[in-house]
Amino acid sequence: QKEVEQNSGPLSVPEGAIASLNCTYSDRGSQSFFWYRQYSGKSPELIMSIYSNGDKEDGRFTAQLNKASQYVSLLIRDSQPSDSATYLCAGVDSSASKIIFGSGTRLSIRP
Amino acid sequence: DAGVTQSPTHLIKTRGQQVTLRCSPISGHKSVSWYQQVLGQGPQFIFQYYEKEERGRGNFPDRFSARQFPNYSSELNVNALLLGDSALYLCASSKDGTFDEKLFFGSGTQLSVL
Repeated sequence: QKEVEQNSGPLSVPEGAIASLNCTYSDRGSQSFFWYRQYSGKSPELIMSIYSNGDKEDGRFTAQLNKASQYVSLLIRDSQPSDSATYLCAGVDSSASKIIFGSGTRLSIRP
Repeated sequence: DAGVTQSPTHLIKTRGQQVTLRCSPISGHKSVSWYQQVLGQGPQFIFQYYEKEERGRGNFPDRFSARQFPNYSSELNVNALLLGDSALYLCASSKDGTFDEKLFFGSGTQLSVL
């Protein structure tokens, strides 16, 4: 059973600090990874996608991928209360026939 | 442009009944995928359709079926409902149906099975 694992949290971070969210995956052949944000009662929306080893930055968000360690992370700099949400890590399996979501990490930014 | 639309928004059924959920993708998108999200869990992939053909299937029983129409809208059918089928059902659309492209999610259908 291919899996994407996340710490469910909640992760509490003070406003203005860096929030670090982590994810591991079991399918060594997976190539494409995504971070989705889901506000309570809303549907997921894509924040970042990453396909190669290393870092990818977009505004306050940085995604990191380490295929050797089968590890994906998301850093949120200068955290804002509006960043409080559940963050879903997802990966495409090696057969490219399905996308697998983790259970999500609940992030809370405290003022 | 309208986003992904799903209907109905809420549904209450009893065990053993059948249900049909509907989804219209973003204009210009040819792929629709379906997900089941139980409270506190991430979405679980059910099906993906592209140009009316099934492209992928998750680990769900045969009670779950879907189809895509020539206008790219889609229906998800669930037969012989079980209590455990109670969940938020999300539809997502994408342009080309490759799994490494951005998904645009609808607001979902909340299904309660009593």
